[in-house]
Amino acid sequence: KNQVEQSPQSLIILEGKNCTLQCNYTVSPFSNLRWYKQDTGRGPVSLTIMTFSENTKSNGRYTATLDADTKQSSLHITASQLSDSASYICVVTTGGFKTIFGAGTRLFVKA
Amino acid sequence: DTEVTQTPKHLVMGMTNKKSLKCEQHMGHRAMYWYKQKAKKPPELMFVYSYEKLSINESVPSRFSPECPNSSLLNLHLHALQPEDSALYLCASSHTQGDYGYTFGSGTRLTVV
Repeated sequence: KNQVEQSPQSLIILEGKNCTLQCNYTVSPFSNLRWYKQDTGRGPVSLTIMTFSENTKSNGRYTATLDADTKQSSLHITASQLSDSASYICVVTTGGFKTIFGAGTRLFVKA
Repeated sequence: DTEVTQTPKHLVMGMTNKKSLKCEQHMGHRAMYWYKQKAKKPPELMFVYSYEKLSINESVPSRFSPECPNSSLLNLHLHALQPEDSALYLCASSHTQGDYGYTFGSGTRLTVV
């Protein structure tokens, strides 16, 4: 069964600290993995997109990694800001165009 | 233009009303999607249009009726909705179906009373 599992479910960190969010997937065949940031009540915004052959992709303070062998991805946020408070969603697309969303990690950055 | 525009941003409707949600993009994308998202849950796919033709209908009740008048527009017609249909409705587009990246709109917050 195609699944995407994210951890932790929620996370509270202090402003300026780093954090890492995890995404494990059991999707076959794999096409690509995306990380999105979603503010409450708004549409998701793409952070990174990675295909099978890519290990790391950065977008400013966001760095995503992909290990296609272990089927794991992580999103590392550096020097967090209050505006980073949001839900972060891992999305995996299969070779058959099916898109599976993870449940998301809700990040709270406190001053 | 690199955006997907959804209107209205908020909608309150009664269970006997007929209303429509609108989605527009001018990026030349040929695949467009409707998603439904309940609070604290991931988006759930409802419909996919590819080259203006309905490609996927995820067993959505007939009270939701999609329409793709042209390659830039996607509508979702609503009729006889239930309170449990209250949710954030998201539109997205991509170059083609299954393409790497979606661009999502900001959504329409729908409340059925």
